[in-house]
Amino acid sequence: ETGVTQTPRHLVMGMTNKKSLKCEQHLGHNAMYWYKQSAKKPLELMFVYSLEERVENNSVPSRFSPECPNSSHLFLHLHTLQPEDSALYLCASSPGTGNYEQYFGPGTRLTVT
Amino acid sequence: GESVGLHLPTLSVQEGDNSIINCAYSNSASDYFIWYKQESGKGPQFIIDIRSNMDKRQGQRVTVLLNKTVKHLSLQIAATQPGDSAVYFCAWRNGSQGNLIFGKGTKLSVKP
Repeated sequence: ETGVTQTPRHLVMGMTNKKSLKCEQHLGHNAMYWYKQSAKKPLELMFVYSLEERVENNSVPSRFSPECPNSSHLFLHLHTLQPEDSALYLCASSPGTGNYEQYFGPGTRLTVT
Repeated sequence: GESVGLHLPTLSVQEGDNSIINCAYSNSASDYFIWYKQESGKGPQFIIDIRSNMDKRQGQRVTVLLNKTVKHLSLQIAATQPGDSAVYFCAWRNGSQGNLIFGKGTKLSVKP
């Protein structure tokens, strides 16, 4: 396995719910990422954290709120989502934000009803 | 990790044959390229990478070729096996400082 775990693996939530996705990496990496993978688009980068500091936010709606309490953990807080937010949410980590491969977790399959 | 609905290009090969998966990238300043494999229900898995100062790199049963002139990347898989069935993504660094940009992916189907 890649050393990146994500919970839950599947989540169904209503549009008024608040939920959080969790990611943990056991690789000693300094950078962590959230991606969205939907049926109609390639992988889309949402957020990048380097040493617990957010370094990029790719114009993601405010209903998605990331949190990185330390270099091993990354959260994605969700509130008042829309049905079009249904997708696979992937977490990844890398040694740094330079020319390194990113190691992905298995993803959380999110369905918004 | 399924990508059903994306209308991915599909490559169907016979077990034991060689596979070639192609990718066109968009940024001529990109200096780093990666191939990922994504099996159903899993996240993308790193296969091989290459930097722009090289045009070929070999791994175990895989070879990546980079043609910077036409901004083209290819992944060759030798002696394709049923376990190679998956969606394959190329990714490239957005310039020399940016994050990874991912291609749409190609679905490889291996017939026994």
